Amino acid sequence: KAGVTQTPRYLIKTRGQQVTLSCSPISGHRSVSWYQQTPGQGLQFLFEYFSETQRNKGNFPGRFSGRQFSNSRSEMNVSTLELGDSALYLCASSSLQSGETQYFGPGTRLLVL
Amino acid sequence: SQQGEEDPQALSIQEGENATMNCSYKTSINNLQWYRQNSGRGLVHLILIRSNEREKHSGRLRVTLDTSKKSSSLLITASRAADTASYFCATEPGGSYIPTFGRGTSLIVHP
Repeated sequence: KAGVTQTPRYLIKTRGQQVTLSCSPISGHRSVSWYQQTPGQGLQFLFEYFSETQRNKGNFPGRFSGRQFSNSRSEMNVSTLELGDSALYLCASSSLQSGETQYFGPGTRLLVL
Repeated sequence: SQQGEEDPQALSIQEGENATMNCSYKTSINNLQWYRQNSGRGLVHLILIRSNEREKHSGRLRVTLDTSKKSSSLLITASRAADTASYFCATEPGGSYIPTFGRGTSLIVHP
C-alpha cells in the first residue's frame, strides 16, 4: 500500500495570508489526524477526522480548521497566518478512530515570513 | 504540560552499545506507543504496548511498561548509526482519544 502523502512538502507564506495543506491517507484508513511540530512546543495535536466528521480537537485557535472528504482525504487550513505558525505540519492516518497505530506522512514544512 | 515526558532529552553513544530511553506519564492510559523521527521528517511507528502488557519485543527493540510507576522504557540493543533519530512516546490518556506526545529523546549513534 502507498503510504500517507502530504502536499505541498514546503511552503513559504507571509503574515496575514492563508494556507491549505493536503493529506491523502493510506487506502482504507478512515481516520486522519493533524499535528503541529515546533522546536518550542513539540508535537501538538490539532484535530482528528473520522468519516468526514471532526471527532477530536486540540487547543488551537479557530484560525486552524480542517475537513475530510468522502474518500478520506483531508485538508487543513490556516487563516491569517502568524509568524508563530511556522512549523512542520504532520498528518497521520489510522484504520480506527483511536488506540491503534498511526501512520505519518512526511509533513509539510511551513515558513511564515 | 506534556502527558508523556521522555528522558534523557539527548543521548550520545557509540555503535554497538545499547540505548535506553524512558517515558513517564501522568494519568492512566489505554496504550503507549513509541515512534522514531529522522531529522525533520515524518514519524515512524515502532511499537505499541497496551496497558495490560508489561514487555514487548520487536527486533532489536524492547519496550517495557510499568503502569504502577506510570513509566515505559525503550531499549535499542546493538545500536547502529542508522538509529540516529529522535524517539517519542505517545499516550492516550484513559477516556481520551487525543494522542499526546512527549518532547522526545534525541539519540546520536557514532559510527
